[in-house]
Amino acid sequence: KNEVEQSPQNLTAQEGEFITINCSYSVGISALHWLQQHPGGGIVSLFMLSSGKKKHGRLIATINIQEKHSSLHITASHPRDSAVYICAVSADDMRFGAGTRLTVKP
Amino acid sequence: DVKVTQSSRYLVKRTGEKVFLECVQDMDHENMFWYRQDPGLGLRLIYFSYDVKMKEKGDIPEGYSVSREKKERFSLILESASTNQTSMYLCASRTLQGVRAEAFFGQGTRLTVV
Repeated sequence: KNEVEQSPQNLTAQEGEFITINCSYSVGISALHWLQQHPGGGIVSLFMLSSGKKKHGRLIATINIQEKHSSLHITASHPRDSAVYICAVSADDMRFGAGTRLTVKP
Repeated sequence: DVKVTQSSRYLVKRTGEKVFLECVQDMDHENMFWYRQDPGLGLRLIYFSYDVKMKEKGDIPEGYSVSREKKERFSLILESASTNQTSMYLCASRTLQGVRAEAFFGQGTRLTVV
């Protein structure tokens, strides 16, 4: 069983929809990262959080340490949000989820 | 303001060649990592380093070695490249110290071994 599980694997949404991507992990962590990867592109760090909630523009990330669960929300989604979103956890090393492929249609 | 730099975006090497992938960070981070990313398998940890001259095996170290002689540079070495090492390689650096806790990722090196 992977230490970091993401759901869903694939997600298609219409422009303007509210989107939620979930991440569950099974190990003790120091921090959790949400990352974005565009096709053929490198990885960009969106958030690094160890408790509570962070917001950046239309993106919101939350984490519940007790439940070992985090969510990434995108409000008013746009086609340019189409990418793979990856959850990663920092413990002794960094471990990645398999990613969620998001497609936002106009 | 690129913070983690990988030496090449694209690389083509022949089977049996010795290959060096370089990663440099300018943030004085203690921890550095090498991953490979393959379709359907996600990002898998090859090696990581807590600090200078320190290294730890990840999940798939076979066929690879690493070097960290200076804090800012972490090199991944393919001693004798093989076709099954064709992949996207990603470097990352991290600090977990207090308010500076952050992680950054390189742009990736797409290596093709022919």
